Amino acid sequence: EVQLVESGGGLVQPGRSLRLSCAASGFTFDDYAMHWVRQAPGKGLEWVSGISWNSGSIGYADSVKGRFTISRDNAKNSLYLQMNSLRAEDTALYYCAKGRKSSVVTSFDYWGQGTLVTVSS
Amino acid sequence: QSALTQPASVSGSPGQSITISCTGTSSDVGSYNLVSWYQQHPGKAPKLMIYEVSKRPSGVSNRFSGSKSGNTASLTISGLQAEDEADYYCCSYAGSSIWVFGGGTKLTVL
Repeated sequence: EVQLVESGGGLVQPGRSLRLSCAASGFTFDDYAMHWVRQAPGKGLEWVSGISWNSGSIGYADSVKGRFTISRDNAKNSLYLQMNSLRAEDTALYYCAKGRKSSVVTSFDYWGQGTLVTVSS
Repeated sequence: QSALTQPASVSGSPGQSITISCTGTSSDVGSYNLVSWYQQHPGKAPKLMIYEVSKRPSGVSNRFSGSKSGNTASLTISGLQAEDEADYYCCSYAGSSIWVFGGGTKLTVL
């Protein structure tokens, strides 16, 4: 059974940093692309970033480019999102999602339950 | 990277069919057969319902179907059931390893 468990969320002040993690199990992690998708309270889904199986292809939404960095450790079956210079508008539930294939050019077939990030002073 | 355009809400009675549209541009929906649809019930994680415009993952009811014409993709749900009441989001590849979601559509089963 595919399981994705996000962690690392919390309350953080504007301008500070936070690192999210996603622990994957139930599938061969290094065979698949991975993504982060967020959802602000009461709002819709927003794709944040994606990374291919070997970290060779990475993409970011314009809203986070230059501030967020996605990475993965295939030996640890883990996905990460380093978030710097956080803003109030980054407040959201952050989902980890598995790609259907190894390339980032593929939809997201399994999702975690999310970790909540609140940016506020 | 502008969000795809979906109607805010649609509704239908049990047994009826409804269609949700998703309008993008020639840079995303119109350029790639990589539109997917996600169902989200309140407080739950999204679930993949359709990928690559019209393909259904294993386990998804064949009452759900997808199509695309030009810059607009569509999700059709036939034989509407109470459990179909949820939010639905379209998503398209936009090139350069970037994806974009629609704003979401709330489906109400009357």
